[in-house]
Amino acid sequence: AQSVTQLDSHVSVSEGTPVLLRCNYSSSYSPSLFWYVQHPNKGLQLLLKYTSAATLVKGINGFEAEFKKSETSFHLTKPSAHMSDAAEYFCVVTISVGGADGLTFGKGTHLIIQP
Amino acid sequence: EAGVTQSPTHLIKTRGQQVTLRCSPISGHTSVYWYQQALGLGLQFLLWYDEGEERNRGNFPPRFSGRQFPNYSSELNVNALELEDSALYLCASSLGTSGYTQYFGPGTRLTVL
Repeated sequence: AQSVTQLDSHVSVSEGTPVLLRCNYSSSYSPSLFWYVQHPNKGLQLLLKYTSAATLVKGINGFEAEFKKSETSFHLTKPSAHMSDAAEYFCVVTISVGGADGLTFGKGTHLIIQP
Repeated sequence: EAGVTQSPTHLIKTRGQQVTLRCSPISGHTSVYWYQQALGLGLQFLLWYDEGEERNRGNFPPRFSGRQFPNYSSELNVNALELEDSALYLCASSLGTSGYTQYFGPGTRLTVL
């Protein structure tokens, strides 16, 4: 079984300050982990993914995430927030073996950027 | 390269009706996934098709069904619509199965009155 917990339903930061969106996962197998972003009334866009290579993963738009197996975490960070970053962010886990390959989504974190 | 496309963009139906949603995957992708994003319930896995076969389904009743065509496009059918079926239905595609990244379409917004 696999699950993912996003620790904050809402995060508010000022433009130009760092962003931290927290995610913890649970998986019986070696997981693949993803962060997706969803802007209002839009589909999901892949930000970055971890698939057992480097533990620090760089994504698009200046985002990165670090896989920490000992803490079962995959937090998303960005050094400096931009107004265009305001969106819903989803941490996602899937097991890398055959079987149920539907993604398991966290409940999402709504990122608010204050001017 | 064109992304995943879905049609229609929006749909309004009444209780008891049937609806068909369509999805075209990225060229070369053989797997298609359907997800439901309902208010308050988050994103939930519905169905997975690969090479024309249903490979897995989430915890949804049988009135949710679909199929995948030889060109890998897919349809999602929902029979006997209920109010709680109102949601954004997202389709995703991937190159293969285990471990391949899923790319999402813009979704179909279904409203059931």
